[in-house]
Amino acid sequence: TQLLEQSPQFLSIQEGENLTVYCNSSSVFSSLQWYRQEPGEGPVLLVTVVTGGEVKKLKRLTFQFGDARKDSSLHITAAQPGDTGLYLCAGDDDYKLSFGAGTTVTVRA
Amino acid sequence: DAGVIQSPRHEVTEMGQEVTLRCKPISGHDYLFWYRQTMMRGLELLIYFNNNVPIDDSGMPEDRFSAKMPNASFSTLKIQPSEPRDSAVYFCASSLKDWNTEAFFGQGTRLTVV
Repeated sequence: TQLLEQSPQFLSIQEGENLTVYCNSSSVFSSLQWYRQEPGEGPVLLVTVVTGGEVKKLKRLTFQFGDARKDSSLHITAAQPGDTGLYLCAGDDDYKLSFGAGTTVTVRA
Repeated sequence: DAGVIQSPRHEVTEMGQEVTLRCKPISGHDYLFWYRQTMMRGLELLIYFNNNVPIDDSGMPEDRFSAKMPNASFSTLKIQPSEPRDSAVYFCASSLKDWNTEAFFGQGTRLTVV
């Protein structure tokens, strides 16, 4: 059973559209990390959220940590082809990081 | 800094052969992680080290898998004997000071066991 459930599994949109991906769990996390992985590469950290209700912005990306620290979302505004990739969330699980299965985002030009 | 360096990038081997994957972490990083990524199971932590000492190997699937970190700048993951179900992308990552701070990943080794 995945500690972190990510949805949707796949998402394909047109350039300029908005999208939101979700990361949910029944467990409480002290922090959550979001990574993006491009084909043939390792994941790269985008952001870490640590406070319940926290909102962080990274250019066109907005990350939110749920009030109860059990869930998080990533919203991309006006998506571009360069946003294409696998988006992974990761949370602490007994003194190690556990990753969700990820959401594969494809932005068509 | 060159980042985390893994070798080889691709490995094709026959079932039953020994496979050794190599990793050079970022200098000064205290933590080193080995992950395996497959379509079915996603990114799974196999083992991690702190200051060259294995801390948690509960993710190592079987006794066929072993990992060592003889010094701060080098680690190996060995599979002996290899099986087709070991085919996956294996990632090494390192982090500066804690197991839950930013992990810097290498480019991975794509292993195919035929």
